[in-house]
Amino acid sequence: NAGVTQTPKFQVLKTGQSMTLQCAQDMNHNSMYWYRQDPGMGLRLIYYSASEGTTDKGEVPNGYNVSRLNKREFSLRLESAAPSQTSVYFCASSTITGTNYGYTFGSGTRLTVV
Amino acid sequence: QKEVEQDPGPLSVPEGAIVSLNCTYSNSAFQYFMWYRQYSRKGPELLMYTYSSGNKEDGRFTAQVDKSSKYISLFIRDSQPSDSATYLCAMSGRGKIIFGKGTRLHILP
Repeated sequence: NAGVTQTPKFQVLKTGQSMTLQCAQDMNHNSMYWYRQDPGMGLRLIYYSASEGTTDKGEVPNGYNVSRLNKREFSLRLESAAPSQTSVYFCASSTITGTNYGYTFGSGTRLTVV
Repeated sequence: QKEVEQDPGPLSVPEGAIVSLNCTYSNSAFQYFMWYRQYSRKGPELLMYTYSSGNKEDGRFTAQVDKSSKYISLFIRDSQPSDSATYLCAMSGRGKIIFGKGTRLHILP
């Protein structure tokens, strides 16, 4: 049982380049999330999708776009990468949004923008 | 006042000691309280969750919630080097979940 799979695991971009981070879950979860984790800042929500066909902004959405491709897949796109977007990005999924059911996280994508 | 506050550590304790990790919060709407463990270069994984006030025990781990004081704790008994990780508290209510920034824990052999 793979859980939440993120690709790629590592990426180096030049300022201004674009890229898409991929996330897929095989637990039949309705809700999916993208977080970034920075030293001293903790986990910050970028975007989330409460169910297939819906997406909403989180705490730090500027510079990002998302697509909920189907129930399994939720991608995060950086259109024009900036050094401030250097971070570790985590995708997560849950049965129901914002409840005690807990989130299952992927192993992360380490992104460096130079 | 921040919604969730958690001491970042690092906290270093000798193997076999009892570890106490804590978070405070300000939002009385929170009803579900969770602890996640995150090993280096891995994603967080759910360790325990509790609903409302009280204690919950799972092996060497005990989660405690005091809603009157807005204070939650995670106790680890007989700590092992494999417990070395960052521990994040999280709490949710009314469709919202907030994570603490995490406490780095080192168990010294």
